[in-house]
Amino acid sequence: GAVVSQHPSWVICKSGTSVKIECRSLDFQATTMFWYRQFPKQSLMLMATSNEGSKATYEQGVEKDKFLINHASLTLSTLTVTSAHPEDSSFYICSARGVGHRNYGYTFGSGTRLTVV
Amino acid sequence: DQQVKQNSPSLSVQEGRISILNCDYTNSMFDYFLWYKKYPAEGPTFLISISSIKDKNEDGRFTVFLNKSAKHLSLHIVPSQPGDSAVYFCAASGIQGGKLIFGQGTELSVKP
Repeated sequence: GAVVSQHPSWVICKSGTSVKIECRSLDFQATTMFWYRQFPKQSLMLMATSNEGSKATYEQGVEKDKFLINHASLTLSTLTVTSAHPEDSSFYICSARGVGHRNYGYTFGSGTRLTVV
Repeated sequence: DQQVKQNSPSLSVQEGRISILNCDYTNSMFDYFLWYKKYPAEGPTFLISISSIKDKNEDGRFTVFLNKSAKHLSLHIVPSQPGDSAVYFCAASGIQGGKLIFGQGTELSVKP
């Protein structure tokens, strides 16, 4: 149990375009979802926390107008990178938490490798 | 401000021996600590966790030790296996289910 599906697993886009990444909890209701990004050989940096039906809470330094997060249902959250630039190229990972979820509530998706050319 | 630190970027261990991965934190409000295993281009996989009310938690070959006074935790893997080779991250949270703060990771290599 506790499976989180994230897709696409990789995407290449042109500079200036927008990219949407989806994160779905398959067998539990995700009341909270977290979005991280990871640069090569670095830590996972939390970008934002989203609760179902509410606006996302962004970490300091993360542009909310650039990284749009939607958590409209208990099983789906999306991250849209708007007007992507090469410096947005990174590995993006979502994590979902549900009520009564084990492991203190964190299951991670498999990540999305975004390359902006 | 790195609140969770893993000062060893890499560790190499012989198969069958003990692997000890270390993690330090600075925020005394952290109450929950977790260890994750991660392969490149994949999401982290949960290994083991510990609450601040405990000083040890064991699950099979994995044991996590917490020293609150020193703000230090460690993950012991015994015996180490080649399949354990991966990057290990420690993470901390201030409240159960709250946001996780990750360390920089330690790349473990277990040699046959």
